[in-house]
Amino acid sequence: GAVVSQHPSWVICKSGTSVKIECRSLDFQATTMFWYRQFPKQSLMLMATSNEGSKATYEQGVEKDKFLINHASLTLSTLTVTSAHPEDSSFYICSARDLQGHTEAFFGQGTRLTVV
Amino acid sequence: GQNIDQPTEMTATEGAIVQINCTYQTSGFNGLFWYQQHAGEAPTFLSYNVLDGLEEKGRFSSFLSRSKGYSYLLLKELQMKDSASYLCAAMDSNYQLIWGAGTKLIIKP
Repeated sequence: GAVVSQHPSWVICKSGTSVKIECRSLDFQATTMFWYRQFPKQSLMLMATSNEGSKATYEQGVEKDKFLINHASLTLSTLTVTSAHPEDSSFYICSARDLQGHTEAFFGQGTRLTVV
Repeated sequence: GQNIDQPTEMTATEGAIVQINCTYQTSGFNGLFWYQQHAGEAPTFLSYNVLDGLEEKGRFSSFLSRSKGYSYLLLKELQMKDSASYLCAAMDSNYQLIWGAGTKLIIKP
């Protein structure tokens, strides 16, 4: 299957600082990337859908000014958690679909964010 | 509204067979996915069904009934490494994935 690389795998940051998470499709071009958040023992929660070259579409309840998404190319999307707080600590996962229209979503490895 | 239901937790014995059920209600339907997720890791793709029937892939099989809004994942010859959460996701008419909460499968020796 296709490969999606997410970086970093884990990060610890101080409250009030910002953290950037990268999601790259390594061997295919992704028109659409999805950002999820998963709290312990809970399901994946879609935060936003990111389309290359346009503004991301945020799910209800997700603050777009706090979770900045940039999808500048067909292989890279970034999620920046601004002014992070302890309640933002979670597992963040990106996924991508390729241009061929394959319906399968390929996932990155996930990023464990801990805000102290 | 859109909804996915699957059991929260199941327990099975090593070497046995287990069936994890999933029912779904979505606005339109473009297929049903099963993913495996080990603790602290991202989900990995197991199967995709869009037509009625059974799809077999090694020890794992997935079944779909569109008229009933029902799917199951069948795991045979269970191994300890199969202990994980199994996520059911339905794709709606906008090609968005609607996720279930996941079924935690515990394998006992």
